[in-house]
Amino acid sequence: EVVLTQSPATLSLSPGERATLSCRASQRVSSFLSWYQQKPGQAPRLLIYDASNRASDIPARFSGSGSGTDFTLTISSLEPEDFAVYFCLLRSSWPPALTFGGGTKVEIK
Amino acid sequence: QVQLQESGPGLVKPSDTLSLTCTVSGDSITTYYWSWVRQPPGKGLEWIGYIYYSGSTNYNPSLKSRITISVDTSKNQFSLKLSSVTAADTAVYYCAREVTTLRYFDSWGQGTLVTVSS
Repeated sequence: EVVLTQSPATLSLSPGERATLSCRASQRVSSFLSWYQQKPGQAPRLLIYDASNRASDIPARFSGSGSGTDFTLTISSLEPEDFAVYFCLLRSSWPPALTFGGGTKVEIK
Repeated sequence: QVQLQESGPGLVKPSDTLSLTCTVSGDSITTYYWSWVRQPPGKGLEWIGYIYYSGSTNYNPSLKSRITISVDTSKNQFSLKLSSVTAADTAVYYCAREVTTLRYFDSWGQGTLVTVSS
């Protein structure tokens, strides 16, 4: 069973700064990794799918990269509305299932 | 634009069965895969399982023995039953759409809180 570890647990930054979030898999995996943003009281929102493809209507400041065991979500310049919790999600081959990472909270410094 | 709406009891007794329904509008349920995801208060997300309109399912191995997901194409709905619930099953339950199997969720319901308590 694949375990996804997100780091850091909390990222304290100021608006305009660059945010780099990590999602690491316990074994080499496919690139079927996606990233979600969740704000308090709201459902998650898809940001990135297949490791590096931006979902519809997602601003260009969000980008995804990585392969193998290490994946990264980068927010190039934080806007006030970007302060939220971010989750990664991975498809595992066997058993076929979906696994979420524990999340990274991006908070205002 | 697709919309998903969860419905069901907000309070379930321990050892009972939790039952939720997701109503899909703006899209045919015969088009994609449909999942349930849950989130205990203040914690992370957990995938529960998915169903295809044909009735084909795939469940989280850790919950498989207690889960049944079904679909009603005539009502454009799919449902979750989770048996023998405990306080650990208290969570916000979301329904979500997958464009292809086990890939990513592109649309979500607003979520519904289910509390397990006597």
